[in-house]
Amino acid sequence: GALVYQYPRRTICKSGTSMRMECQAVGFQATSVAWYRQSPQKTFELIALSTVNSAIKYEQNFTQEKFPISHPNLSFSSMTVLNAYLEDRGLYLCGARVGLSAETLYFGSGTRLTVL
Amino acid sequence: GDSVTQTEGQVALSEEDFLTIHCNYSASGYPALFWYVQYPGEGPQFLFRASRDKEKGSSRGFEATYDKGTTSFHLRKASVQESDSAVYYCALGDNNNAPRFGAGTKLSVKP
Repeated sequence: GALVYQYPRRTICKSGTSMRMECQAVGFQATSVAWYRQSPQKTFELIALSTVNSAIKYEQNFTQEKFPISHPNLSFSSMTVLNAYLEDRGLYLCGARVGLSAETLYFGSGTRLTVL
Repeated sequence: GDSVTQTEGQVALSEEDFLTIHCNYSASGYPALFWYVQYPGEGPQFLFRASRDKEKGSSRGFEATYDKGTTSFHLRKASVQESDSAVYYCALGDNNNAPRFGAGTKLSVKP
C-alpha cells in the first residue's frame, strides 16, 4: 500500500527561527503533494498543493515567502516554516496523491511544531 | 467555495450501537467525496471515497452513499466497537484541487 513518511515527528523552535520538514513517499509516485496544518482550534487548513512540473498553488493566508515548498521528484517534498511564531504551532501534514488523475490523498503521521 | 459540513462535533455510543455521522457538502460540479479517520498521534487514514451520484463507498464495516439530491455523504456503521473510537473527517475534492476537510466528528465508544 501507499506509505508516506514525515520527519521529524516533533520539533521545537524558538520564535523567529525557521524549521524544515520533509515528506517521503515509499512504494509509489507522488505526483501531487498537499501540505496542511492542523491546529486545536481549526480543522485541516490547506497550505498548498504541489504538483510535479506545475506551479505550486498556495491557499489564501499562506505564501511562498512564509512556507517555501520543494518538490524535486516523485518521492520527496519538503516545506519550511520561516520565521515561526506562536500562531504557526500545530501538526503539519503531508498528503500525497498516486497518479495524475487520482484524487485520494495518503497522509503521513505529521510533524508537530512547537514554537517557544 | 466548495465546503463540507459535519454537524456533530462529538458522538458518544456504546459497543454494538448503530452509528451515523452526518456530512453535507456544497460544491459546483461533481466533486469526489471522502471519509478519513484519525487516531491520536497519527495522520488521517483514508477510509473510502465515492465520485458519482448513488455510488456507495465502504471499508471496515463503514459505508456512505453519495447523494447529490440531498448533497450528503453520511457515514454509517451497523455495530460500532470500542476500537472505532477516533475522529472522523468528511472531505471533498477533485483532480485539480486538494481535498477540503470538514471540522471532524469525535467518536467515543464505551465497552
